[in-house]
Amino acid sequence: GDSVTQTEGLVTLTEGLPVMLNCTYQTIYSNAFLFWYVHYLNESPWLLLRSSTDNKRTEHQGFHATLHKSSSSFHLQKSSAQLSDSALYYCALSDGSGTYQRFGTGTKLQVVP
Amino acid sequence: GPKVLQIPSHQIIDMGQMVTLNCDPVSNHLYFYWYKQILGQQMEFLVNFYNGKVMEKSKLFKDQFSVERPDGSYFTLKIQPTALEDSAVYFCASSLGLGGNYAEQFFGPGTRLTVL
Repeated sequence: GDSVTQTEGLVTLTEGLPVMLNCTYQTIYSNAFLFWYVHYLNESPWLLLRSSTDNKRTEHQGFHATLHKSSSSFHLQKSSAQLSDSALYYCALSDGSGTYQRFGTGTKLQVVP
Repeated sequence: GPKVLQIPSHQIIDMGQMVTLNCDPVSNHLYFYWYKQILGQQMEFLVNFYNGKVMEKSKLFKDQFSVERPDGSYFTLKIQPTALEDSAVYFCASSLGLGGNYAEQFFGPGTRLTVL
């Protein structure tokens, strides 16, 4: 069935190092939309990034991700982690037919000094 | 931006009692969701709701749980009876659609439920 996989439950990084959070997906539909939501402690989750067309990079607030349909991936990246990036990050999949939406299990990013 | 409201922000209740969590979704949105986050863990999908019906639910959505949105008022999650393991923060979300960019979900601030 359709699904989203985030392999890392917890990622701990030293401030200043690059961030990469993995997201892969499975769908029978060719028209997939991917999203990254960020969830800071004691706040509501909100949309950080959404995918564009195949192999096109999208950026927001220093984070970026590229939809690669060939590898069914939408990894979240940032060149240099900041302490304030510590949060839960959820990858989500929506197909173009409007039949479902799936969230991954989430990755907790912990940035330490 | 669009806002989802949740009432109350905190609720403390004795095990076995009934509780209703209220959500005021974004006004033109058509799809509504509940998620559960146990302290220190990831948020998990419970249920989504459209046109007066449950569309999809997870295994966390026990028989004691029910959702409704009578006459376009609050979207509610009712738990009857409550159990200790229901203690969590419950997030409501809404979206315009399910497909493509309409699928963006807007989340409320959460209701922290404590079952004693």
